[in-house]
Amino acid sequence: NAGVMQNPRHLVRRRGQEARLRCSPMKGHSHVYWYRQLPEEGLKFMVYLQKENIIDESGMPKERFSAEFPKEGPSILRIQQVVRGDSAAYFCASSQTGPGAFFGQGTRLTVV
Amino acid sequence: AQKVTQAQTEISVVEKEDVTLDCVYETRDTTYYLFWYKQPPSGELVFLIRRNSFDEQNEISGRYSWNFQKSTSSFNFTITASQVVDSAVYFCALSRVTGANSKLTFGKGITLSVRP
Repeated sequence: NAGVMQNPRHLVRRRGQEARLRCSPMKGHSHVYWYRQLPEEGLKFMVYLQKENIIDESGMPKERFSAEFPKEGPSILRIQQVVRGDSAAYFCASSQTGPGAFFGQGTRLTVV
Repeated sequence: AQKVTQAQTEISVVEKEDVTLDCVYETRDTTYYLFWYKQPPSGELVFLIRRNSFDEQNEISGRYSWNFQKSTSSFNFTITASQVVDSAVYFCALSRVTGANSKLTFGKGITLSVRP
């Protein structure tokens, strides 16, 4: 069984561009959690989604950030008009129920 | 609100020493999960253990052991006979068991350096 798959592993964007991060959950999992790890910091929860629904987005910045988990396909975390402060590692975890204990390898976003 | 405190920020030991990483948590829930993760220099998050608050038995897995003390809200992690490959950042985390939203609350992590 494939684990949680994230792509790309590394993403470089210029200030003002859009970044799209993808997360394919483990087979059979319908819950996805996104977390952000800023440099020298721990991981912070951003958003929790179930298929076609955002359940909790309390950790996501109000502007420029959005997330979706469509009926088919991966979950997408979208950051519009990126700024240098968005440079971070973004991780997702999936679960069938309960906490997603297993994480993808992360996407490292660098804004230049 | 849930909170995880890892008071140690950096620990340096010599190979073969034992080392204990501390984790203290706060939660109002009566049932919860506790986790430990390892983040090596390559950056991925490696799951080490998940413990349900109902189960207070200590656990051992090879050189790793965990001491769960509900009375002091602590879930400490000990590495016996440390090795250079144990060098990493270690995170403790907490989540709810009940309800659909079981997001993890992480501590800030402990950087462990094991010198040869």
